[in-house]
Amino acid sequence: DIVMTQSPDSLAVSLGERATINCKSSQSVLYRSNNKNYLTWYQQKPGQPPKLLIYWASTRESGVPDRFSGSGSGTDFTLTISSLQAEDMAVYYCQQYYSTPYTFGQGTKLEIK
Amino acid sequence: QAQLQESGPGLVKPSETLSLTCTVSGGSITSYYWSWIRQPPGKGLEYIGYVYDRGSTNYNPSLKSRVTISVDTSKNQFSLRLTSVTAADTAVYYCARSTPGYYFDSWGQGTLVTVSS
Repeated sequence: DIVMTQSPDSLAVSLGERATINCKSSQSVLYRSNNKNYLTWYQQKPGQPPKLLIYWASTRESGVPDRFSGSGSGTDFTLTISSLQAEDMAVYYCQQYYSTPYTFGQGTKLEIK
Repeated sequence: QAQLQESGPGLVKPSETLSLTCTVSGGSITSYYWSWIRQPPGKGLEYIGYVYDRGSTNYNPSLKSRVTISVDTSKNQFSLRLTSVTAADTAVYYCARSTPGYYFDSWGQGTLVTVSS
């Protein structure tokens, strides 16, 4: 299984400031044949299902604000929220879909400072 | 996008079988992977497995001996059976859709299943 490790486990950021969440996979999730990273980011608020934010490591889902961006390749990835808004309080998960069993990071809880 | 809705008992006794159904509306059940994912209270997400519209399946090895996922294309539904449940199987169970080999792009709202006598 590919192990996904996120850091930090929790993060407190002031409104309007930048938030950065890291995700590391135990093996590369870059598929050489199409040069795509099989890595996605989800946002989960209490009592709700995960919401797709980013796929292919850096492609923003339709309707997701452009303050959310994803970067990285191979085994190291980052989710950045450029200017934190109150509604961004949530738990964020990375997930690899490179191989089964699909696996998720343990989650990063983002709080407002 | 498709809408997914889980249904089934919210309480299952230890050693019995957990059975859930996911009904898909607003889109065809064909040509997608249909997955089950669970989340114990206060914890992270765990992939259980998927079924393809032609009936082929993939299961998480950690649960494979106890899991069956099936699809009924005539009803636009797919189902999860998890046998010999214990308290460790208490979780919110989500159904989700993905294009084969891609990310989960639609999720149900989730249903809490508690394993308790």
